[in-house]
Amino acid sequence: GENVEQHPSTLSVQEGDSAVIKCTYSDSASNYFPWYKQELGKRPQLIIDIRSNVGEKKDQRIAVTLNKTAKHFSLHITETQPEDSAVYFCAGAGGYQKVTFGIGTKLQVIP
Amino acid sequence: NAGVTQTPKFRILKIGQSMTLQCAQDMNHNYMYWYRQDPGMGLKLIYYSVGAGITDKGEVPNGYNVSRSTTEDFPLRLELAAPSQTSVYFCASSSHYRGETEAFFGQGTRLTVV
Repeated sequence: GENVEQHPSTLSVQEGDSAVIKCTYSDSASNYFPWYKQELGKRPQLIIDIRSNVGEKKDQRIAVTLNKTAKHFSLHITETQPEDSAVYFCAGAGGYQKVTFGIGTKLQVIP
Repeated sequence: NAGVTQTPKFRILKIGQSMTLQCAQDMNHNYMYWYRQDPGMGLKLIYYSVGAGITDKGEVPNGYNVSRSTTEDFPLRLELAAPSQTSVYFCASSSHYRGETEAFFGQGTRLTVV
């Protein structure tokens, strides 16, 4: 089955700086890669996703890149703000595979 | 459209007691999942189901049981509660038709075993 590895596990950045979280996956059949944000005490919620036929996707201050050859994808947050502080999960899925999550990255944005 | 609904939101159990965490989704999703999340940790898959009548173990199934008699419902059963089962439990669902694989989460159940 799919194995998704995520790093770093914790990340601290100064407000206004950029943050990058990286994930790798093992199953070449995976074709859908969502990212979830979990604020303290709340459920994980989808913030952005990318499909295998696209190399990059952007939504305001967040972007995701995908390298299918290397089997890795990354989340980029620019101009970080205190409200970006949360745990971020990457995931991989495809076809009839279940969604597989990474271990999560705790992002702290320091004002 | 309620999405994924979990009940209860909070529960305190005594060691050895049993309970069922309820999960229902109204999106006609074929996949459903149960995760536990310990404080400051990631999501650990307990059980999942790819459709009614089909269930499979995740990484941490011991001490839990599930059933999937309908597409909508996926209850999680704890038979003999132990302190190690103190955690937040999330139910999720996803559809794998037409490439729509986004997972939707319920609001979570905070379980304490004392």
